[in-house]
Amino acid sequence: TQLLEQSPQFLSIQEGENLTVYCNSSSVFSSLQWYRQEPGEGPVLLVTVVTGGEVKKLKRLTFQFGDARKDSSLHITAAQPGDTGLYLCAGRLTDRGSQGNLIFGKGTKLSVKP
Amino acid sequence: DTGVSQDPRHKITKRGQNVTFRCDPISEHNRLYWYRQTLGQGPEFLTYFQNEAQLEKSRLLSDRFSAERPKGSFSTLEIQRTEQGDSAMYLCASSYPSRINEQFFGPGTRLTVL
Repeated sequence: TQLLEQSPQFLSIQEGENLTVYCNSSSVFSSLQWYRQEPGEGPVLLVTVVTGGEVKKLKRLTFQFGDARKDSSLHITAAQPGDTGLYLCAGRLTDRGSQGNLIFGKGTKLSVKP
Repeated sequence: DTGVSQDPRHKITKRGQNVTFRCDPISEHNRLYWYRQTLGQGPEFLTYFQNEAQLEKSRLLSDRFSAERPKGSFSTLEIQRTEQGDSAMYLCASSYPSRINEQFFGPGTRLTVL
């Protein structure tokens, strides 16, 4: 059972389109992170959200943490080919004693065509 | 650039051989994490260190796996008697202890077991 479910699994769009990807769980997280990963490379941290309802913006990317801290979304405005990559959400559970264990979703593989 | 570095980037080995990977974290970070990522999956937590102390190990870390961080700086991950199922990307990450939500990843070591 995947603790963090990401959807869609794959997304192929044209340059200039908007898109939203989702990260959902039935568990409460103390924080959620979004990473972007390119083939053959490690994930690169984009943002951390910690407060329920929090919205953070990073240029054309908008991240939202659900009020109940069980879900998050990433919205990209006017997507560009450089946005192509695997978008991973990750987080730490509130009910676990672990201090090191980041739980990852399987990711959304985004392809932006010129 | 003083990001997380990993060596080697790629390793091909025959089943039954031992392999060792190295990770150099960001110098100010005293937490170091190892993850494993297989195709189509997000990273899965293996173990983490605070300074030289190994504080948590996942059940994914079988007896054939051992990790060390002898001086609290770089870390090594050794896999003994490799199996084909060990083929994966091995990722290292580091963080400040006060900001464990923000883990910064290295480029990974891609292991192929023939």
